[in-house]
Amino acid sequence: AQSVTQLDSQVPVFEEAPVELRCNYSSSVSVYLFWYVQYPNQGLQLLLKYLSGSTLVKGINGFEAEFNKSQTSFHLRKPSVHISDTAEYFCAVSVISGGGADGLTFGKGTHLIIQP
Amino acid sequence: EPEVTQTPSHQVTQMGQEVILRCVPISNHLYFYWYRQILGQKVEFLVSFYNNEISEKSEIFDDQFSVERPDGSNFTLKIRSTKLEDSAMYFCASKPNRGGQPQHFGDGTRLSIL
Repeated sequence: AQSVTQLDSQVPVFEEAPVELRCNYSSSVSVYLFWYVQYPNQGLQLLLKYLSGSTLVKGINGFEAEFNKSQTSFHLRKPSVHISDTAEYFCAVSVISGGGADGLTFGKGTHLIIQP
Repeated sequence: EPEVTQTPSHQVTQMGQEVILRCVPISNHLYFYWYRQILGQKVEFLVSFYNNEISEKSEIFDDQFSVERPDGSNFTLKIRSTKLEDSAMYFCASKPNRGGQPQHFGDGTRLSIL
């Protein structure tokens, strides 16, 4: 079974400051990694994904994440945040398997609060 | 951009009643999913569906739950006899093919059991 840990339930950051949201995972098999964002009263929107190749992946809205296999981490970063980035951020994994229909395992989420 | 649509946005039901949550996945997608998010908790996988049958289900997806693709566009989740603890946000998702393609999520249905 897989598990995802997002250690920070809330991260307050001043506007235009950099931010890092931490994500660690545990799995006995290889996984795909994702970050999703949830704005209030909306569904989950994909920010970025890591499937293979370069360990630094870039996503929408200026976010990027780095896959570190040895540390089993996939931390999300943005060099300069805006008020509009206030949202809940979820890290998720899915198993790389032959079936293809595997569900996502999510972390508990990190609430990013941007302070003016 | 194509979207996953879910109806209704909010459903209020008496405990013990049956409820059907509806989803229209993106039209060329082949894999379909249901998730739930109890207030204040993480998003949890319920079930995946491919080629008109369940591919995978979690421990949460017990005999009171069922899924169906009654026609070429809808994907439904039925809860037969609702309990108070079924109150949650239910998300539908779809993806086009196998592998690492990301799942696209709808805006969810908030289910409130009274």
